[in-house]
Amino acid sequence: KNEVEQSPQNLTAQEGEFITINCSYSVGISALHWLQQHPGGGIVSLFMLSSGKKKHGRLIATINIQEKHSSLHITASHPRDSAVYICAVRTASNTGKLIFGQGTTLQVKP
Amino acid sequence: SQTIHQWPATLVQPVGSPLSLECTVEGTSNPNLYWYRQAAGRGLQLLFYSVGIGQISSEVPQNLSASRPQDRQFILSSKKLLLSDSGFYLCAWSVEQRSYNEQFFGPGTRLTVL
Repeated sequence: KNEVEQSPQNLTAQEGEFITINCSYSVGISALHWLQQHPGGGIVSLFMLSSGKKKHGRLIATINIQEKHSSLHITASHPRDSAVYICAVRTASNTGKLIFGQGTTLQVKP
Repeated sequence: SQTIHQWPATLVQPVGSPLSLECTVEGTSNPNLYWYRQAAGRGLQLLFYSVGIGQISSEVPQNLSASRPQDRQFILSSKKLLLSDSGFYLCAWSVEQRSYNEQFFGPGTRLTVL
């Protein structure tokens, strides 16, 4: 079993829909990252959080440390949101190593 | 501002040939540096990380090696490439400031070994 599990693996939505991507982890962490990878391969960091909730534009990320679970929400989805969304956890070490989930491929249709 | 460069962007190499991928970071000092690989259909995997010049830690036994000859330069190498070395290689950096450790990724190198 992977230490970081994401669901669903693939997601197709219609423009305007509310989207949720889930991430569960089994290791002790100091922080959790949500990343976005575009078709060309480039990766952008969306959020880094260790508790509670963060919001940036139409994106919202939440984390429940007790349940070892995080969610990424996209409100009013748009075709430009189509990408692979990756959850990664930072282990409790001084080097900041990340353990990555397999990613969720999102396609938003117009 | 900080930037991270990787080259080349794409590379096609025959099996058994050597490899050298370079990553450089600008605008920061003494960063932690990382090499990741993303094989087709798989998630990102940490290959090497470095907390300083000449300090390299390997996460996974493999056909690759890494070196950090300068503070902001990180090199991924192989003496003889295998087919299984094909993938998308990403370099990343971070700076330890208390608990802050956001990682910033380079544009990546897509390697195809034939």
